Amino acid sequence: ILNVEQSPQSLHVQEGDSTNFTCSFPSSNFYALHWYRWETAKSPEALFVMTLNGDEKKKGRISATLNTKEGYSYLYIKGSQPEDSATYLCAFHNTNAGKSTFGDGTTLTVKP
Amino acid sequence: EAQVTQNPRYLITVTGKKLTVTCSQNMNHEYMSWYRQDPGLGLRQIYYSMNVEVTDKGDVPEGYKVSRKEKRNFPLILESPSPNQTSLYFCASSLALHNEQFFGPGTRLTVL
Repeated sequence: ILNVEQSPQSLHVQEGDSTNFTCSFPSSNFYALHWYRWETAKSPEALFVMTLNGDEKKKGRISATLNTKEGYSYLYIKGSQPEDSATYLCAFHNTNAGKSTFGDGTTLTVKP
Repeated sequence: EAQVTQNPRYLITVTGKKLTVTCSQNMNHEYMSWYRQDPGLGLRQIYYSMNVEVTDKGDVPEGYKVSRKEKRNFPLILESPSPNQTSLYFCASSLALHNEQFFGPGTRLTVL
């Protein structure tokens, strides 16, 4: 089983704070790295699909970067809002198979 | 509406009683996958399918079977459920391998 690690496990911030968290994955046989947002009582929803080293993606106040050579991706949230409270999952895809390996997630709580 | 559907949403059953959880997508997606989610853990892949009649094991396939006879359907079969299969199950689909995945609403299974 491939090792995909996310840190921190949980994060509590105040409304308006900016925050970031990390996804670490194997640096060999990289094909794609996905970020998903998972709100309580809902299903995970895709945020970003990242495939190229140096990729930077942005959606509103949320952005992500990718370093495939060292095996990590950062997710940034600027000016956190209570509605950003969710678990953020990353999923690693390698070139050798159709497997999708998820990290355990970072749970973000934004206090008003 | 483009969606992934799962049935049933909730199921309580007893050890050894065969069950099937259905999954259907209406987006003509090639790739479909089953995951289970347990407390404190991320999504762990059970089985995936890259196209009709093409299925393969994920990281935790023991005790499960799948089939992909039509593009839209990907049922998960538990021939003899056991209590350690009590979990939240998600079906997901994507246009092709490594594209963003769209998740169903989840099936909460309890095996007594």
